[in-house]
Amino acid sequence: NAGVTQTPKFRVLKTGQSMTLLCAQDMNHEYMYWYRQDPGMGLRLIHYSVGEGTTAKGEVPDGYNVSRLKKQNFLLGLESAAPSQTSVYFCASSTGRQPQHFGDGTRLSIL
Amino acid sequence: DQQVKQNSPSLSVQEGRISILNCDYTNSMFDYFLWYKKYPAEGPTFLISISSIKDKNEDGRFTVFLNKSAKHLSLHIVPSQPGDSAVYFCASGTSGTYKYIFGTGTRLKVLA
Repeated sequence: NAGVTQTPKFRVLKTGQSMTLLCAQDMNHEYMYWYRQDPGMGLRLIHYSVGEGTTAKGEVPDGYNVSRLKKQNFLLGLESAAPSQTSVYFCASSTGRQPQHFGDGTRLSIL
Repeated sequence: DQQVKQNSPSLSVQEGRISILNCDYTNSMFDYFLWYKKYPAEGPTFLISISSIKDKNEDGRFTVFLNKSAKHLSLHIVPSQPGDSAVYFCASGTSGTYKYIFGTGTRLKVLA
């Protein structure tokens, strides 16, 4: 009964390094989302996908890329990490336009 | 410019009493509203939603009220239980889009 699984849970990067965050869901949901949560702010949508092979920009897409090659996986990439991207990242999936099931988050620190 | 505001950062309530969490929004185009609960080190959990065609939606101990003219919604939890202690987020958006704006959250503490 995994639901939405995010990998890794924690990561520390140096400025300029790249990395990929993986989100996997086992509910056969069409819609998947990547959010970031920063202190004193609500969750903000980075990118989302309405189905396999599709991606779209959210509220704060700059500095991130995404891919949805398989329906169950939604990858978030940082090509050249910046300290401003230090955040907690949440992936979500749903059967509709509103996020329903969230992963437990990836805490990312960029030094 | 925060389009969705939760003006109370925290709230303490005695077990068995009612918890009322509030949320205000500014965009009159918003027509769909959601509440989520979040425990530490976990992702948010969807609780309840409401469309602008309704002014109330109930699910067990949770009821959401919508006042469109005031651009205000509230989540009522009755009776409150210690397990309800968490951070509660409201989110608002236009039902035809995928971009929902989240509030900053209210930390609820239910005292036994």
